[in-house]
Amino acid sequence: SAVISQKPSRDICQRGTSLTIQCQVDSQVTMMFWYRQQPGQSLTLIATANQGSEATYESGFVIDKFPISRPNLTFSTLTVSNMSPEDSSIYLCSAGPGGGEKLFFGSGTQLSVL
Amino acid sequence: SQQGEEDPQALSIQEGENATMNCSYKTSINNLQWYRQNSGRGLVHLILIRSNEREKHSGRLRVTLDTSKKSSSLLITASRAADTASYFCATVPFYTGANSKLTFGKGITLSVRP
Repeated sequence: SAVISQKPSRDICQRGTSLTIQCQVDSQVTMMFWYRQQPGQSLTLIATANQGSEATYESGFVIDKFPISRPNLTFSTLTVSNMSPEDSSIYLCSAGPGGGEKLFFGSGTQLSVL
Repeated sequence: SQQGEEDPQALSIQEGENATMNCSYKTSINNLQWYRQNSGRGLVHLILIRSNEREKHSGRLRVTLDTSKKSSSLLITASRAADTASYFCATVPFYTGANSKLTFGKGITLSVRP
């Protein structure tokens, strides 16, 4: 199993600013993913964080808006750039061994943009 | 795109009763997983069932999979107030590589009344 620490747990930000969310895993993992969850909704995959290379983004998400870093096998960051109220959501970090096996999740970052 | 669709969307039962939740999907899968999310928290993996399995148990949880009907059910027996949460099914497509991704359904809100 893996324990994932995600911070901040919540933040209130002004329009036009950026927020960086950090995700730390207590063991080396193959895959790390970033999801977005609108209130009361399902999870939408933003991107796969690749160690040492550019992230792989899903349709509708772009690097300029959601730059992601993964410098090693235990750490990743997601930045939400030039925020607008539409970016208000819960952002979740997850990690796992890959191959479609189970995922472990951080406790999420609740973001509100004014 | 959404793969799993849970049913019902919301379920309210009395403590001690059993709760049954269903998930249907459209395309062939490698495995199907169930997760629980307590309000404002990250997701917790409950159980994974592979396409060649028909039933799995874990404590008070029983999961079935019917690949001919492309459906799965999650049964929670002798429910407790602490089972109050949202439950999500997630599917992994039939072809599974290292980068396989989970697709989550919309979730079921379970309320267990004391």
